Amino acid sequence: EAGVAQSPRYKIIEKRQSVAFWCNPISGHATLYWYQQILGQGPKLLIQFQNNGVVDDSQLPKDRFSAERLKGVDSTLKIQPAKLEDSAVYLCASSLMGGPSNEQFFGPGTRLTVL
Amino acid sequence: DAKTTQPNSMESNEEEPVHLPCNHSTISGTDYIHWYRQLPSQGPEYVIHGLTSNVNNRMASLAIAEDRKSSTLILHRATLRDAAVYYCILRDVRNDMRFGAGTRLTVKP
Repeated sequence: EAGVAQSPRYKIIEKRQSVAFWCNPISGHATLYWYQQILGQGPKLLIQFQNNGVVDDSQLPKDRFSAERLKGVDSTLKIQPAKLEDSAVYLCASSLMGGPSNEQFFGPGTRLTVL
Repeated sequence: DAKTTQPNSMESNEEEPVHLPCNHSTISGTDYIHWYRQLPSQGPEYVIHGLTSNVNNRMASLAIAEDRKSSTLILHRATLRDAAVYYCILRDVRNDMRFGAGTRLTVKP
C-alpha cells in the first residue's frame, strides 16, 4: 500500500515570497491533516479536512496560510507571504475516517527554510 | 484541553525492555490515549492506542492505569531502530491530536 506522498521534500525561499506544498493521501482516506513542526517541537495541527470540507482550522494563521482539498483527494497548503518564523517541516497525514480512535498515517514532510 | 507530561529523555540498552511513562491527570472519560513515534528525518508513526484496557500489538504494549491518569508504553526488546522521539497524545471526540515535546529515547548497543 502506497503511503502519504508529499512534494517537494525541501524548499528554500526568501521572506515575503510565496510557497506551496502538495500532499497526496493514502487512497480511500477521507480525512487529511496538515501539521507544522518547528525544530525541537512536536507537530502542531494547522488544518483538518473531512473529504473536501474543513473540519478544524482554528490554528491556521489565515492571514498568510491557506489550504484546499479540491475533489476530496489531493491537498495543497500555501503560504503567502512567508516569514522567517515559518521555517519548519510541514507534515501531511491522512486517516481512513475522522474520530479519536483512528490511526493517522504521516508523509515524510516538506522542510521549508525561509531566509 | 487535557495535556500529557512525559520525561524529556530516556536511555535504554539494546535488547532490554523499555517502559516509557506518560501522565495525563486531567484526562476525560472519552479521551483515547495514543502513542506515536518519530524517527530522525521522518514523519510520526503510529505505535498503539487504547481507551481503558491494556493493549498489545506487534510493536509494543500499552498499560493504562486503573484511574486512567497515567499510562506506560512498553517496548519488550529495544533495538537500535527504536531510537526515536515518542509522543503520548490524548484524542477527544473533536479528533484533535495535540503533540507535546515527547520523550527522546536513546538505545545503547
